[in-house]
Amino acid sequence: AQSVAQPEDQVNVAEGNPLTVKCTYSVSGNPYLFWYVQYPNRGLQVLLKYITGDNLVKGSYGFEAEFNKSQTSFHLKKPSALVSDSALYFCAVRDPRVTGGGNKLTFGTGTQLKVEL
Amino acid sequence: EAEVAQSPRYKITEKSQAVAFWCDPISGHATLYWYRQILGQGPELLVQFQDESVVDDSQLPKDRFSAERLKGVDSTLKIQPAELGDSAMYLCASSLYRGPNTEAFFGQGTRLTVV
Repeated sequence: AQSVAQPEDQVNVAEGNPLTVKCTYSVSGNPYLFWYVQYPNRGLQVLLKYITGDNLVKGSYGFEAEFNKSQTSFHLKKPSALVSDSALYFCAVRDPRVTGGGNKLTFGTGTQLKVEL
Repeated sequence: EAEVAQSPRYKITEKSQAVAFWCDPISGHATLYWYRQILGQGPELLVQFQDESVVDDSQLPKDRFSAERLKGVDSTLKIQPAELGDSAMYLCASSLYRGPNTEAFFGQGTRLTVV
């Protein structure tokens, strides 16, 4: 069964500093990976996705993520954090081989990012 | 910008009562998902529709939960009877098709509190 681990419940960073939110996954075969962000009182929004190709994926709001197959990781990064980046971030994975069940999207438990002045 | 619409936004119900949530996906999206997000956890898929057909309901507690998408457009998720442990955020999402690389768009959710 596929799974996603986000080892940090919360990440605190000062504005202007780089940020990293960690994600590791477990899936048979080549994964499709996503990062979603959840702002208060708003729905989940996709930030970026890795399907195939370049291991460094660029997404919305200056975020990027690096797919590392050997370490089964897909860490979210941003060179310079903003206070407005404070939100709940979810890593998610699909196993492209699971066709009968509709390619279920499995989420991690989420990481609360807090960016302070 | 097209959005997934959900109602109500908030619902408080008593234990053993029935409750229903409604979702209207983005126009043209064939795939519709219902997720449950318990506080402190990631969303968990309850049921997935392709048009009007259920393609995955393996995590749906079928003794009390039901879901339908009769015309392949909007959908209703029902709980009867509600239990205290059902308190959670219920999220609806839709995607254009069922493929693994397709992006799912989420609504704002319905926050259910069972008292």
